[in-house]
Amino acid sequence: GDSVTQMEGPVTLSEEAFLTINCTYTATGYPSLFWYVQYPGEGLQLLLKATKADDKGSNKGFEATYRKETTSFHLEKGSVQVSDSAVYFCALISSGSARQLTFGSGTQLTVLP
Amino acid sequence: DGGITQSPKYLFRKEGQNVTLSCEQNLNHDAMYWYRQDPGQGLRLIYYSQIVNDFQKGDIAEGYSVSREKKESFPLTVTSAQKNPTAFYLCASSIGPENTEAFFGQGTRLTVV
Repeated sequence: GDSVTQMEGPVTLSEEAFLTINCTYTATGYPSLFWYVQYPGEGLQLLLKATKADDKGSNKGFEATYRKETTSFHLEKGSVQVSDSAVYFCALISSGSARQLTFGSGTQLTVLP
Repeated sequence: DGGITQSPKYLFRKEGQNVTLSCEQNLNHDAMYWYRQDPGQGLRLIYYSQIVNDFQKGDIAEGYSVSREKKESFPLTVTSAQKNPTAFYLCASSIGPENTEAFFGQGTRLTVV
């Protein structure tokens, strides 16, 4: 079945540091890939997505590129802010998952001032 | 504003009691989902519904039940058969089963006392 493996957390960075959260996947066919963000006590919000190989999703300074050859979708941001502190989830949807979202375990990010 | 509303935000239940979590959406979405979130784990799918009066079990349906009598409503009942019900429950919806973007509610935190 489909699966998503995320970098173990928690991750703690200073403000303006560079962020990378690794995500790799196993899926049937050609999945669509997503990053969701969850702020404390809230539901998930879609941060960005990519639906085919070599697509780059971007939003709010975050970027991720769909790499089919390495089955990866790493999340990056050049300069994090305190307000970016949250839990980040990598997810995919594919025909192998009956078109349901499969989530990684989440990575807690804390940004210190 | 369109969105998904979950209620209540916090819920306490005594052991042996059934409890129902509410999920309402005014996005005119056909598909709705219930997920369970435990600390340090990703989201796990409990039930999903792709159309009114129809729903399917997800990965962890045992001890839960749902109904989909109206397009905008998808309540989840946590029964006394659920061995470990304390968790954060998230409801989501999407335009249709093939649509790739899911919108999430704010979640309900259920605690068994």
